[in-house]
Order: sequence, then structure tokens, then C-alpha cells
Amino acid sequence: GDSVTQMEGPVTLSEEAFLTINCTYTATGYPSLFWYVQYPGEGLQLLLKATKADDKGSNKGFEATYRKETTSFHLEKGSVQVSDSAVYFCALSARGNEKLTFGTGTRLTIIP
Amino acid sequence: KAGVTQTPRYLIKTRGQQVTLSCSPISGHRSVSWYQQTPGQGLQFLFEYFSETQRNKGNFPGRFSGRQFSNSRSEMNVSTLELGDSALYLCASSFIAGGHQETQYFGPGTRLLVL
Repeated sequence: GDSVTQMEGPVTLSEEAFLTINCTYTATGYPSLFWYVQYPGEGLQLLLKATKADDKGSNKGFEATYRKETTSFHLEKGSVQVSDSAVYFCALSARGNEKLTFGTGTRLTIIP
Repeated sequence: KAGVTQTPRYLIKTRGQQVTLSCSPISGHRSVSWYQQTPGQGLQFLFEYFSETQRNKGNFPGRFSGRQFSNSRSEMNVSTLELGDSALYLCASSFIAGGHQETQYFGPGTRLLVL
């Protein structure tokens, strides 16, 4: 079945550091890929998405590229801020299977 | 445009009771999905409704059920509550194009505590 494996946390970085959170997936066909973010006490917010190979999703300085050859969708940001502290979830949605499959989440803490 | 709303936000129940959670999707979204989030199991898919029909169901016991109304609002019900049902229940809505879901947008969740 479909699955998502993402980098275990927690991850702690200093402000302005470079961020990478790894995400790889297993799915049949060509799934859509997503990064969602969850702030304390809240639901999930869509951060970015990509629907086909080589697409790059971007939002709020975050980027991720859909790499079919490596089945990956790594999240990157060039300079993190304290306000980026949250839990990040990688997810996929396979066409015809109307649900999201999530990774385990990566807790990110940014220190001033 | 208003986002996905869920009520209530917090609930405390005791074992054996039943509970009903409500979700109002974004205007124009006709697909509603439910997820359970726990520290141990992470985010797990419960079920998805479109046009008042359940199209997909996750691996949960029959105590978990749901329905969707003609205005696309959805409810989920958990009967005979167990301690392990304590979780954050998230609802997501999406637009349907060509019979398939577009991006899912989530509500703030209902936090259920079973004592």
C-alpha cells in the first residue's frame, strides 16, 4: 500500500539556519504530494504541494521538488525563523484513492 | 471565504458513552474527510464522504461511523467510547473535479478526551 517516510525529529535549529526535512514515499501511479504544518493546538495547514514529477511547490520561503526518480519530496528553507517552529507532515494522495497518507511528522524548534 | 469549521472544539466523555462531532466544509467543497490524530498512531484516515455517500473508509471498527447531509456538512459518531479513542479528530474538505478530490483543507479539530 501507499506509505510516506519522513525524517524523524525533533529537529532543533538556530534562527537563520538552513532547513531540510527529508520525505520519501511509496505509491503506485503518480500521487500528488503535500507538506502540511501544524502549530500547537491547531489543525493542519497546507504549506505547499506538487502534483506531478519535477514540479516545485513553494510558499512562505519553503520549497519542495517532486522527484519521481528518487521518490522524494524534501522540504527546504534557506533561513528559518522562530515562527517556523511547528510540526511538519509530508503526505501523499493517490488518484482514485481519495485519502491522504501521512508521514509521522517532524517537530521543528527554532532557537533565537 | 470561511474555512472548515468543527464543533465542538473540546469534549470530555466517559467510557461507554457515545459522541457526535460536526464539520462544516468550505463553501463549494462537496467532499469531506475525517482523520484521527494520536501520539501513538499519528494521522489516520477514517472515512470520506461525497454527495452524501461514503466513498472510502479506513481501518477502524464499526463503532466509528459518519454521514453527510445535502448541504455537505458532515458528522461523525463514535459509539461505546474506549480510552483509546482519546484523540484529535480532524475534518478536511475539498473541491471535486472530474470526480476526484482536489487539495484537502483542514479544520481546527475536535479534541476528545475519554475518561
